Amino acid sequence: DGGITQSPKYLFRKEGQNVTLSCEQNLNHDAMYWYRQDPGQGLRLIYYSQIVNDFQKGDIAEGYSVSREKKESFPLTVTSAQKNPTAFYLCASRASDGFKNIQYFGAGTRLSVL
Amino acid sequence: GENVEQHPSTLSVQEGDSAVIKCTYSDSASNYFPWYKQELGKGPQLIIDIRSNVGEKKDQRIAVTLNKTAKHFSLHITETQPEDSAVYFCAASLGSSNTGKLIFGQGTTLQVKP
Repeated sequence: DGGITQSPKYLFRKEGQNVTLSCEQNLNHDAMYWYRQDPGQGLRLIYYSQIVNDFQKGDIAEGYSVSREKKESFPLTVTSAQKNPTAFYLCASRASDGFKNIQYFGAGTRLSVL
Repeated sequence: GENVEQHPSTLSVQEGDSAVIKCTYSDSASNYFPWYKQELGKGPQLIIDIRSNVGEKKDQRIAVTLNKTAKHFSLHITETQPEDSAVYFCAASLGSSNTGKLIFGQGTTLQVKP
């Protein structure tokens, strides 16, 4: 079954704690993306990676970090520097097929602060 | 920065009626415009997309129109059904680069009343 798997579905963070959200894809896609979704707002880009071992900041990268050591995996760490981390986090991937930019999304991780 | 404006933010229709959601984009280099449907607690799913060299595209009860001159594009859903109830997002590609980055609208919550 091909797709994008995000885990966990729900995550709770204590103050001062770093937490890591997992994103795995078996679609053989080169590019991967992390978005943050707040109620009543669109998706805002946190980080993206077009190829293994390379990633770029998006519009709201402060307080977040990522790695891309394997093509299949693009984990996102929410650091203690992110003062308002409560949100729904979405991971997406895209095949590099030129003109079309179809992004396929995972089911999301809902992060809350204890 | 570049942005996408989406209206209305909420839309309520009777089952069987049509629904129209409109978006305006600012980046004149945008060349790809997808629409996503997001059900509660799930990730967005692509429902239809259009390229800049096409003015209209239809898929069963769903159609998208694009006016490049005015930088407007719209989603039309005919014969709405209760299962169409969801949040709908429009997006525009950021320029013509190959990063695959998309700029998302704020979302429209569609409620179809039986």
